[in-house]
Amino acid sequence: DAGVIQSPRHEVTEMGQEVTLRCKPISGHDYLFWYRQTMMRGLELLIYFNNNVPIDDSGMPEDRFSAKMPNASFSTLKIQPSEPRDSAVYFCASSLGSGGRAYEQYFGPGTRLTVT
Amino acid sequence: GDSVTQMEGPVTLSEEAFLTINCTYTATGYPSLFWYVQYPGEGLQLLLKATKADDKGSNKGFEATYRKETTSFHLEKGSVQVSDSAVYFCALSYKTGANNLFFGTGTRLTVIP
Repeated sequence: DAGVIQSPRHEVTEMGQEVTLRCKPISGHDYLFWYRQTMMRGLELLIYFNNNVPIDDSGMPEDRFSAKMPNASFSTLKIQPSEPRDSAVYFCASSLGSGGRAYEQYFGPGTRLTVT
Repeated sequence: GDSVTQMEGPVTLSEEAFLTINCTYTATGYPSLFWYVQYPGEGLQLLLKATKADDKGSNKGFEATYRKETTSFHLEKGSVQVSDSAVYFCALSYKTGANNLFFGTGTRLTVIP
């Protein structure tokens, strides 16, 4: 299996621009998670999906952030407009859920976003 | 609420030293417990897990035992190597319901030759 795929690996953009991060989960996984990692705040869960449906978006910092999962093999995280404080590494993770078990999350390599 | 507390880092050890990274948790139910590792420039990888009290998870020479009485899941390794240098995250999740992980803040380990 190719694992979780994220693109781009690095993104540098100017304040005010729109940024779109992409994720392809592991085939067959029915949960998808978006995380943000910074030195100051550590690893934060932004949103997660189950069967393409957003379940909990309480971690999304503000309305500038949005996430979609149009099908089981693709998700996007969009920031519009971007700000310097959005600079972070954004991780996508996926897992397989079936009743009564604990599930391991598999992380992608991350997208390092720099907003100048 | 549910949470995980890890020992403050960073931790610096000489090669072949004994490693302990403390992790305690607060949970309302009976979670599963995990240790994830993040090598420089990479995403997190599952290192080991334990799904019920007294279970011992182990992998690559690392071990952790699920201690319900002390609500702990300390990570240990008898002899660390330079290649073990990474950030280690303790986490918990539940077997049913929400499938999200609650992560600790991470502990950076540096092993020097």
